[in-house]
Amino acid sequence: GQNIDQPTEMTATEGAIVQINCTYQTSGFNGLFWYQQHAGEAPTFLSYNVLDGLEEKGRFSSFLSRSKGYSYLLLKELQMKDSASYLCAAFSGAGSYQLTFGKGTKLSVIP
Amino acid sequence: SAVISQKPSRDICQRGTSLTIQCQVDSQVTMMFWYRQQPGQSLTLIATANQGSEATYESGFVIDKFPISRPNLTFSTLTVSNMSPEDSSIYLCSVEGQNYNEQFFGPGTRLTVL
Repeated sequence: GQNIDQPTEMTATEGAIVQINCTYQTSGFNGLFWYQQHAGEAPTFLSYNVLDGLEEKGRFSSFLSRSKGYSYLLLKELQMKDSASYLCAAFSGAGSYQLTFGKGTKLSVIP
Repeated sequence: SAVISQKPSRDICQRGTSLTIQCQVDSQVTMMFWYRQQPGQSLTLIATANQGSEATYESGFVIDKFPISRPNLTFSTLTVSNMSPEDSSIYLCSVEGQNYNEQFFGPGTRLTVL
């Protein structure tokens, strides 16, 4: 079966750093996606981790530990426009392109 | 990245009717996916649509309720049949990118069933 957990909501201050955690238990695993979704809009791709470790991309970084079934998304120098839902999704691979999504973490950035 | 459009962007429908949602991509893609996002929930995969073959449905979704067409490599439709208020949701199509680890989403169709 597939099970992905992430916090429902988080609040952080403009200019600060926030870490959004995601744990997963999947029958097949090839990698972990992070998507950003603003209210009323489609998800947009942020990152994809296959190997253990931290991948940095500008203000956003994503970390994966396959042995622990754990990932996090790190957002630095928070801006008001970062207020959105952040979805982690496990990619099963092995000939399947299926993504299994978590319920998303709604991040509110306050002044 | 692929450019994906969906029609309609939103609709309000009566119980018992059906709605067909179109998804158009600006490039040829092998696999297209249909997701549902119910209010306050995350995305749930409905089915995978390959050109030239029948769609593969996930557990809890059946062809009679959600028939899918995939007539060519740039287009797909999802029909929501015999709608009930529980079908009120956002329906999104997505496509694989050039790299297998990419998946891009269309803007979504917001459906309200009265």
